[in-house]
Amino acid sequence: GQQVMQIPQYQHVQEGEDFTTYCNSSTTLSNIQWYKQRPGGHPVFLIQLVKSGEVKKQKRLTFQFGEAKKNSSLHITATQTTDVGTYFCAGHVLTGGGNKLTFGTGTQLKVEL
Amino acid sequence: SQTIHQWPATLVQPVGSPLSLECTVEGTSNPNLYWYRQAAGRGLQLLFYSVGIGQISSEVPQNLSASRPQDRQFILSSKKLLLSDSGFYLCAWSPPLAGGRNQPQHFGDGTRLSIL
Repeated sequence: GQQVMQIPQYQHVQEGEDFTTYCNSSTTLSNIQWYKQRPGGHPVFLIQLVKSGEVKKQKRLTFQFGEAKKNSSLHITATQTTDVGTYFCAGHVLTGGGNKLTFGTGTQLKVEL
Repeated sequence: SQTIHQWPATLVQPVGSPLSLECTVEGTSNPNLYWYRQAAGRGLQLLFYSVGIGQISSEVPQNLSASRPQDRQFILSSKKLLLSDSGFYLCAWSPPLAGGRNQPQHFGDGTRLSIL
């Protein structure tokens, strides 16, 4: 079945450092979504990318969707303590995926002062 | 605006006992509904999803079942819980447009289930 892997699994950074998580799917995706889950909380939708090679920005966050629509990345510039949490990518498969998302394995980010 | 309610927030159950978790959505019609399980420090595993009343798709074989008796109500059940059923259970909904494809999912606060 379809698998979506993320690296790294964990990342500790000093406040002000940059952070990047990478997402790789075993199959071509129709779109990729990103979610953030704060410790003890539930996932919250951040953004969706649909087009091949698409890049979107939200303040200090930059999201990219690969040309082949099988990978994506999230880059945070100058991390802050409010960025702490686990970041998940999630994708709809291009065909046969029905109405379901496949979530990535997640990257847990810790930010130290 | 749309809201999703999930309860209880925390549940401790003995092995072999039954389970019923309920999720309701307000402010939308004919939503797609989902049940996920998340083990501690792990990703989200899709258990069931539903595109309409009485329509349930099961993603993994297990001793859990789901039902959708009303448009905006989704129930997760088990007749006899196993130790391996412990985890964080999340209900989610997405708009019905385009069969839910390309739509964000909105999650409830979750139920932390511990099996003793």
